[in-house]
Amino acid sequence: ETGVTQSPTHLIKTRGQQVTLRCSSQSGHNTVSWYQQALGQGPQFIFQYYREEENGRGNFPPRFSGLQFPNYSSELNVNALELDDSALYLCASRGTSGDGTQYFGPGTRLTVL
Amino acid sequence: RKEVEQDPGPFNVPEGATVAFNCTYSNSASQSFFWYRQDCRKEPKLLMSVYSSGNEDGRFTAQLNRASQYISLLIRDSKLSDSATYLCVVNLSGGYNKLIFGAGTRLAVHP
Repeated sequence: ETGVTQSPTHLIKTRGQQVTLRCSSQSGHNTVSWYQQALGQGPQFIFQYYREEENGRGNFPPRFSGLQFPNYSSELNVNALELDDSALYLCASRGTSGDGTQYFGPGTRLTVL
Repeated sequence: RKEVEQDPGPFNVPEGATVAFNCTYSNSASQSFFWYRQDCRKEPKLLMSVYSSGNEDGRFTAQLNRASQYISLLIRDSKLSDSATYLCVVNLSGGYNKLIFGAGTRLAVHP
C-alpha cells in the first residue's frame, strides 16, 4: 500500500453543486498532486501543492481549487459542477527519490447528474 | 498531437506469451519516465521507472530512446495476473513535478 488515503470513495452530486474531496499523503511527503481521470483516458494533472502553496497547475478552470494543510493533507474543491466533471479524482504524493515518482491514493469516483 | 501517445490495444495474448508496448512523447524536455499499471476501477500503481540504459525487473524490461522520444515495455512469460492497463508516463521537471500520462494500453492475458 502507498499510504495515501482519500475520502470519500464514491460521491454523487447534481449539476451546479459544489464538492470537496480529501487526501492524506504518505508520511513525510510534503508534495501533493491532484489528477482527474475520465473513463478510458489517462489521468490529467489538475494542480500540485508544496508546503501549503499551489506551485503548478494544469489546464483546469478556476472553479477547481485546492488547499494543503500543515500536516500535508490536502483538499480539492470543485464549484459549479458540470456533467463532464464526472471522473475518478486521484491524489498522489511525491516520493523521496529524485526522479519525481508519485504514489497514488485509491481515488474518489465522482458522478455528476 | 497528444503529449504522450500509446497504442490503446487491447492486446489479447495467451499465457506465456511475450508482449511489447510502445509509447512516444512529444516534449524533449521530459526528464524522467515511468510505466504504471492500472487495474479496472483502481488507482495507477508504479510498475517501474525507465532509464536510458534500459532496466529489467523480473519478467519486465523497459527501454528509453531519448533521441527518438520513444519508450517501450516488454513483458515476458505473461501471466493471467498481468491483465491490466499499462500507462506510459513522463515527468516534466523544472519547478514542479507534473506527470503526463498516455491513455493506456489494455492487456488481456487468457488461459
